[in-house]
Amino acid sequence: DTEVTQTPKHLVMGMTNKKSLKCEQHMGHRAMYWYKQKAKKPPELMFVYSYEKLSINESVPSRFSPECPNSSLLNLHLHALQPEDSALYLCASSQKLAESTDTQYFGPGTRLTVL
Amino acid sequence: ELKVEQNPLFLSMQEGKNYTIYCNYSTTSDRLYWYRQDPGKSLESLFVLLSNGAVKQEGRLMASLDTKARLSTLHITAAVHDLSATYFCAPPRVGVNRDDKIIFGKGTRLHILP
Repeated sequence: DTEVTQTPKHLVMGMTNKKSLKCEQHMGHRAMYWYKQKAKKPPELMFVYSYEKLSINESVPSRFSPECPNSSLLNLHLHALQPEDSALYLCASSQKLAESTDTQYFGPGTRLTVL
Repeated sequence: ELKVEQNPLFLSMQEGKNYTIYCNYSTTSDRLYWYRQDPGKSLESLFVLLSNGAVKQEGRLMASLDTKARLSTLHITAAVHDLSATYFCAPPRVGVNRDDKIIFGKGTRLHILP
């Protein structure tokens, strides 16, 4: 099973709302990632969790708050977002890249629209 | 900081033709990943190139890696319409604390005309 699942698939929220994106994998991967992708651009890394600890935060605004409750789950909590935060949010997982011959596996993404 | 350049960024080609996408990166990396993305979809892993001289083929696509030249290529043979997509190359940056991440090129949007 090489599947990463994400919910919801689509999300529309107002600037005052609080919502969460969820990601799950059952491949035993110990690294999990959040990316943001705008149209016609490459994915931009937001956060990396390694062994359930936040290891990389790419200077992401605090209105995005990641959480890794256990090794299979990754959440992204959203609060007071701006319209420019509208994008495709991708979750990915992998073994530690330097220790693996495998790649990152991406979920289907959540299409977020902020009104 | 690791920089990744893909060339070309946009390619429109006829079915049946051959073409090559180039990926240059700025710092030492012993491996490289290629991904495909269809419009509105997520990323699909195509190739994992793990060492200098690595060559992998899948159908009409062949990828290679030259770590000394810091260059990877994705060659398309006898293109068909189904290969229309955006292709990303991505070398990893392995951090000092072994916290690592993948750095994506800007992507090559491939449009194959019937």
